[in-house]
Amino acid sequence: DGGITQSPKYLFRKEGQNVTLSCEQNLNHDAMYWYRQDPGQGLRLIYYSQIVNDFQKGDIAEGYSVSREKKESFPLTVTSAQKNPTAFYLCASSGSGNSYEQYFGPGTRLTVT
Amino acid sequence: DAKTTQPPSMDCAEGRAANLPCNHSTISGNEYVYWYRQIHSQGPQYIIHGLKNNETNEMASLIITEDRKSSTLILPHATLRDTAVYYCIVRGYNAGNMLTFGGGTRLMVKP
Repeated sequence: DGGITQSPKYLFRKEGQNVTLSCEQNLNHDAMYWYRQDPGQGLRLIYYSQIVNDFQKGDIAEGYSVSREKKESFPLTVTSAQKNPTAFYLCASSGSGNSYEQYFGPGTRLTVT
Repeated sequence: DAKTTQPPSMDCAEGRAANLPCNHSTISGNEYVYWYRQIHSQGPQYIIHGLKNNETNEMASLIITEDRKSSTLILPHATLRDTAVYYCIVRGYNAGNMLTFGGGTRLMVKP
């Protein structure tokens, strides 16, 4: 089956620890994205990558880092510098071009205590 | 990108058409209207998009007014599984495929 996988679905960490969220896609999409969603709110863009070995900051990149070493993978690291890391994290991918829709993964719910 | 305005919530009876409005009065000529929906605790799902003509697919219809300042997403026969938050998004052609999600409309389909 083609799609986007995120793991794990639920993740618990202690404050002060870095944590890496996985995102893999087998859709052969060039572009990948990370969003954050807080309860009752819309999605906010953290980072995006239009091509391998290149990525750009989104609206709320502070306290996060990413890498794009392979086309199919776009891991997100939530660092200890992120003040409020507890949230629902969503990964998406899309084809090249400006009219392609984004396909989303199932999300990872991160809780930091 | 143009901002959108949607009602925060709507109810619809099962089997009836659900008509979800969206205002985008500052939309410019090269901006598309996209609709996504998010069922609780899942990733958003693409529904439909259009530029100025009405569009229809297996999920829904999109009606865009002639002046393009508003649009309506129509789910012709709503089911309980259509209960979700529906997001209307306006995106420029040269925006690098960025999507800006607002608060959306929480649609509750009732039996």
